[in-house]
Amino acid sequence: KNQVEQSPQSLIILEGKNCTLQCNYTVSPFSNLRWYKQDTGRGPVSLTIMTFSENTKSNGRYTATLDADTKQSSLHITASQLSDSASYICVVSPYDKVIFGPGTSLSVIP
Amino acid sequence: DAGVTQSPTHLIKTRGQQVTLRCSPKSGHDTVSWYQQALGQGPQFIFQYYEEEERQRGNFPDRFSGHQFPNYSSELNVNALLLGDSALYLCASSLGGTRLETQYFGPGTRLLVL
Repeated sequence: KNQVEQSPQSLIILEGKNCTLQCNYTVSPFSNLRWYKQDTGRGPVSLTIMTFSENTKSNGRYTATLDADTKQSSLHITASQLSDSASYICVVSPYDKVIFGPGTSLSVIP
Repeated sequence: DAGVTQSPTHLIKTRGQQVTLRCSPKSGHDTVSWYQQALGQGPQFIFQYYEEEERQRGNFPDRFSGHQFPNYSSELNVNALLLGDSALYLCASSLGGTRLETQYFGPGTRLLVL
C-alpha cells in the first residue's frame, strides 16, 4: 500500500471554478507536508509547506489544510485559471526521507 | 540568482550504455537530491548528497551512482541502461540539516533509452 495517496487521479474544471484535491497518508510521524505544482515536462514548484502542528497554509489562490488526526490534507484552488492546469503532488517528509504521492492531474478549460 | 539548473535537457541512449546527468544547486544550497519520475507517476527518491557524501538512498540498484563536488554541484551516473530507465530525472537542492527547508527542483533531464 502506498504511503501517500491522492485523489482524484485527474480532474477537469471550468475556468473560474473552485476545486479541492485530496491527499491521504499513512506516514507518521512526519516533519512536514508539502504541496507542489508540476507543469508538464518541468520540475515541481513548491506551493505550500506545513509542519505537523499546522492546520492551514495559504499561498495566493492556493490553500492547504492538514488534519493530523485523520491523516488527510487538502489543497483548495480558488477561482481557477487556465495556467492552473498541471499535476499537483502531495509530499510527506518523515524525519529521514521524502515520500511523494502520485499526483492529481488538473485540467482547467475555458 | 540562478535557480537549480540541469544538463542536458534531453538525452537518447541505447540499452547497455552509460549516462551522466549534471545538476547545479540553487545559490546558497549545499544539499542535492536526485529523483526519477516515470511518465504519469510521482517522483521516486534515488539518493541525496551532502558534504560530498551520499547521505540517504532510495530503493535503486547500484547501477545508479552519484557524486557531489566541492562547489555542491552533483552528477548522477547510470550504468548498463535498461529500457525501464527511461524517465524524467529531477534534481532538487536544499539546505542540509534543516528539515523544514523547501526543496527547489530543476527542470529535469528527459532520458529515453532505446
